[in-house]
Amino acid sequence: GAVVSQHPSWVICKSGTSVKIECRSLDFQATTMFWYRQFPKQSLMLMATSNEGSKATYEQGVEKDKFLINHASLTLSTLTVTSAHPEDSSFYICSASGQGDFNEQFFGPGTRLTVL
Amino acid sequence: GQNIDQPTEMTATEGAIVQINCTYQTSGFNGLFWYQQHAGEAPTFLSYNVLDGLEEKGRFSSFLSRSKGYSYLLLKELQMKDSASYLCAVLDSNYQLIWGAGTKLIIKP
Repeated sequence: GAVVSQHPSWVICKSGTSVKIECRSLDFQATTMFWYRQFPKQSLMLMATSNEGSKATYEQGVEKDKFLINHASLTLSTLTVTSAHPEDSSFYICSASGQGDFNEQFFGPGTRLTVL
Repeated sequence: GQNIDQPTEMTATEGAIVQINCTYQTSGFNGLFWYQQHAGEAPTFLSYNVLDGLEEKGRFSSFLSRSKGYSYLLLKELQMKDSASYLCAVLDSNYQLIWGAGTKLIIKP
């Protein structure tokens, strides 16, 4: 149990376009979902935390108008990178909690975004 | 500020034992997690400690000392597939997860 999927696994887009990444908890209802970004050889950087039906809480330095998060249901959250630029190229990972014995986060497989 | 320290990289031999240390200074404490992350993949949960002592789970064990702000992950009978980064993360008083930078473990035959 506690499987989290992400789609797409990788995406290449042109500068200025928008990219939507979906995160789904497949076999449990996630009370909270998290979005992270990870640059090569660096640790996870939390971008935002979202609860179903409410606005996401963004970390300091993360532009909410650029990284739009929609948590429409207990099993789905989406991250839209608007007007992507090459510096947005990164590994984006979502996680969900609400299932584990320790309220641990279960991670999706990640989405590798390359902006040309 | 909040801080989590762990070694950047460690090397060990297949079949041996390795201990990865983690020290933390956070505003409050509600538990410590260890995650494993293979290159190019997302992290997977290994262990959770909230009380002092050792938690054993197969070849992996995790230890916590809250008074010392210290934890370690012990890996026994190392296998090549254990080559990965190991992330230490602490849940602070606001239940926010503070992540360490990770320890890259290299296993040599």
